[in-house]
Amino acid sequence: QKEVEQNSGPLSVPEGAIASLNCTYSDRGSQSFFWYRQYSGKSPELIMSIYSNGDKEDGRFTAQLNKASQYVSLLIRDSQPSDSATYLCAVVLSGAGSYQLTFGKGTKLSVIP
Amino acid sequence: NAGVMQNPRHLVRRRGQEARLRCSPMKGHSHVYWYRQLPEEGLKFMVYLQKENIIDESGMPKERFSAEFPKEGPSILRIQQVVRGDSAAYFCASSPARGDNEKLFFGSGTQLSVL
Repeated sequence: QKEVEQNSGPLSVPEGAIASLNCTYSDRGSQSFFWYRQYSGKSPELIMSIYSNGDKEDGRFTAQLNKASQYVSLLIRDSQPSDSATYLCAVVLSGAGSYQLTFGKGTKLSVIP
Repeated sequence: NAGVMQNPRHLVRRRGQEARLRCSPMKGHSHVYWYRQLPEEGLKFMVYLQKENIIDESGMPKERFSAEFPKEGPSILRIQQVVRGDSAAYFCASSPARGDNEKLFFGSGTQLSVL
């Protein structure tokens, strides 16, 4: 089983809809979770972090963490064409240093005008 | 305040040549991390360095790859005798403190193509 898994997509949503991105991880001891956005040919950019079970909201973005089920998700409300990008889930695994991020392959999101 | 600077953006090498990738961290950052992104794969941790020290190189291939972060100048990722399988995007990131993922910033990457 891969350590961090994401559906590769592409995920297509109409403008204004909610985009839901999911990520599962294998290490039950993981404590730190991050969502990055990466535009084609550009650097990954941190958009959300979450450490505790539940929801964390920042503007149009909501991260959700369920440690018992070992998944973390990202909701994007009122999706805009500018949200079209690849979204990377990253986890700090319990056996690794706090500086070492383990990434999923990413989910490509396309927001259709 | 310039971000993490990587150069070159694109590097083409023939099999057997050497590749040198450079990374200048953000101002005020002394912790540097290198990641590799193979086609259709996620970013994979390679190495973590502080000035003049390699802290963790557990993600580096055992042969042909080396990294340094000298007292003066950028961090260098060096790949000797490149093979086609080394073709990938190499990203550098920096942070002001060890494991400060909230203040971790990535560069735009170097796309290495091996012919």
